[in-house]
Amino acid sequence: NAGVMQNPRHLVRRRGQEARLRCSPMKGHSHVYWYRQLPEEGLKFMVYLQKENIIDESGMPKERFSAEFPKEGPSILRIQQVVRGDSAAYFCASSPRQGAVPNEKLFFGSGTQLSVL
Amino acid sequence: KNQVEQSPQSLIILEGKNCTLQCNYTVSPFSNLRWYKQDTGRGPVSLTIMTFSENTKSNGRYTATLDADTKQSSLHITASQLSDSASYICVVMDSNYQLIWGAGTKLIIKP
Repeated sequence: NAGVMQNPRHLVRRRGQEARLRCSPMKGHSHVYWYRQLPEEGLKFMVYLQKENIIDESGMPKERFSAEFPKEGPSILRIQQVVRGDSAAYFCASSPRQGAVPNEKLFFGSGTQLSVL
Repeated sequence: KNQVEQSPQSLIILEGKNCTLQCNYTVSPFSNLRWYKQDTGRGPVSLTIMTFSENTKSNGRYTATLDADTKQSSLHITASQLSDSASYICVVMDSNYQLIWGAGTKLIIKP
């Protein structure tokens, strides 16, 4: 059973370009979470999605950032018109059930390191 | 403001020694407290999950303790191995089921 798969592992973009980060959850998991991590800092929650639904996007910047989890295919985190401050590691996690189940374990991917030149 | 603070920020110990990492939190009320291990360049991996009624939980050489009264938790690592070198992150789930992450303790095991 493959774990959470994220690609690419490393992504380099110039300012103003678009970045697309992909996440395939573990088999059987229908809930996906995206986190951002800056160097020497903790993970910051961005968005929680179920298939075809955004459940909680309270951590997502209002502009330039969007996320989707279509019925078929991976979850996509899209950053338009990237700026240097978007440089960070972006982690995806999945769980088999609703995130509100208190003791549910999250399984993380290896992350995408985004560098904006 | 809900916060999770960890100490020390970094720690270097010799292989085979024990160590204890600390976590203080101000999240109240909380659902559970988790410890994760994050290797460099990797995503976090869950070590333990404790509810407020649990005082201690073990996972191999890792033992987590929780004092809900003082809002403190610790992670004790016994007989450290080189593969224990990683960041150890304390995470508290609040009553809205949001995870609040500490900044982590960077542990380096030297041979």
